[in-house]
Amino acid sequence: KNEVEQSPQNLTAQEGEFITINCSYSVGISALHWLQQHPGGGIVSLFMLSSGKKKHGRLIATINIQEKHSSLHITASHPRDSAVYICAVHLDSNYQLIWGAGTKLIIKP
Amino acid sequence: DSGVTQTPKHLITATGQRVTLRCSPRSGDLSVYWYQQSLDQGLQFLIQYYNGEERAKGNILERFSAQQFPDLHSELNLSSLELGDSALYFCASSAPGTAYGYTFGSGTRLTVV
Repeated sequence: KNEVEQSPQNLTAQEGEFITINCSYSVGISALHWLQQHPGGGIVSLFMLSSGKKKHGRLIATINIQEKHSSLHITASHPRDSAVYICAVHLDSNYQLIWGAGTKLIIKP
Repeated sequence: DSGVTQTPKHLITATGQRVTLRCSPRSGDLSVYWYQQSLDQGLQFLIQYYNGEERAKGNILERFSAQQFPDLHSELNLSSLELGDSALYFCASSAPGTAYGYTFGSGTRLTVV
């Protein structure tokens, strides 16, 4: 079983829909990242969370440390949001990131 | 521009060859991390340097080596290249005092033919 599990693996939605991507982990962590990777390959760090909730524009990330679960939400989704969204966690013990497999999101106009 | 510069952006080379990938961290960042993203294995942590010293090592092959120079730029050397080394290689940097605020470079796409 992978230490970081994301769901769904693939998600196709219509423009304007509310999107939720989930991340569950089974290890003790000190922080969790949500990253976005566009088709060209570039990676952008969206959020780093250790507790609670963060919001940036139409993106919202939440984390529940007790339940070992995080969600990334996109409101009023747009075709330019189409990308792979990756959850990654920092272990308590070191600086390494453990990566989820990613969620491929396609937003249709 | 994220502030992390990776060169070259694309590299095509033959099996058995040796290549060097370069990363300049964001200004003020002391830590540099290298990651490999291949089709079948997702993102893999390779190695981390902090202020010139190796800090952590991940799934880095013996054919690969890295270093961080006094000006804080880092190089990842890949030798005796195999077809399976074809991947995207990302560099990220983080500021002193935090291991968590990552900034990623745009990556180097290596194709071994």
